[in-house]
Amino acid sequence: TQLLEQSPQFLSIQEGENLTVYCNSSSVFSSLQWYRQEPGEGPVLLVTVVTGGEVKKLKRLTFQFGDARKDSSLHITAAQPGDTGLYLCAGARGNTGKLIFGQGTTLQVKP
Amino acid sequence: GAVVSQHPSWVICKSGTSVKIECRSLDFQATTMFWYRQFPKQSLMLMATSNEGSKATYEQGVEKDKFLINHASLTLSTLTVTSAHPEDSSFYICSARGLAGETQYFGPGTRLLVL
Repeated sequence: TQLLEQSPQFLSIQEGENLTVYCNSSSVFSSLQWYRQEPGEGPVLLVTVVTGGEVKKLKRLTFQFGDARKDSSLHITAAQPGDTGLYLCAGARGNTGKLIFGQGTTLQVKP
Repeated sequence: GAVVSQHPSWVICKSGTSVKIECRSLDFQATTMFWYRQFPKQSLMLMATSNEGSKATYEQGVEKDKFLINHASLTLSTLTVTSAHPEDSSFYICSARGLAGETQYFGPGTRLLVL
């Protein structure tokens, strides 16, 4: 059973388009993190959201944590080829520190 | 800050040999480190949680006698793949969590190829 459903799993768009990636769960998370991973490298943390309803912006990336802390979204405005990569959401529960990862979204931005 | 390193970055070995992978937190102390494996085009799968000075906690389906984990200090955890076989070939990634907070910082990964 996948506790954190991430969608879409694959996305191929043209440069300049907007996109949204979703992470949904029936479980409550104490925090949720978004990572970006390049091939052959480890994930790099983009943002951590902690408070229900929280919105964080990182240049053209907007992250939102659902009011009930069960879901999150990543919106990219005017995507660029440099945004190409694997985007991963991961939720933290309890105090074990364990992260539950979504399936990942492979994004390809064509010039 | 919050840099995690892994060594080696890639390793090729013969079937039946053991391989040790190191994970270090370079600029912070990590009471907890995590080991993941990742298959091509897939997400990360947690293998085990490593706490400094205590035995690792393994996820269901992960053989603790095959994947030996040692967390001897607050900055170093090691994963040893014993008697490696081709099916153990994968991308192994560690992460470290500081003394406070829930954020995990990931290492660059180790590519293991077992021939």
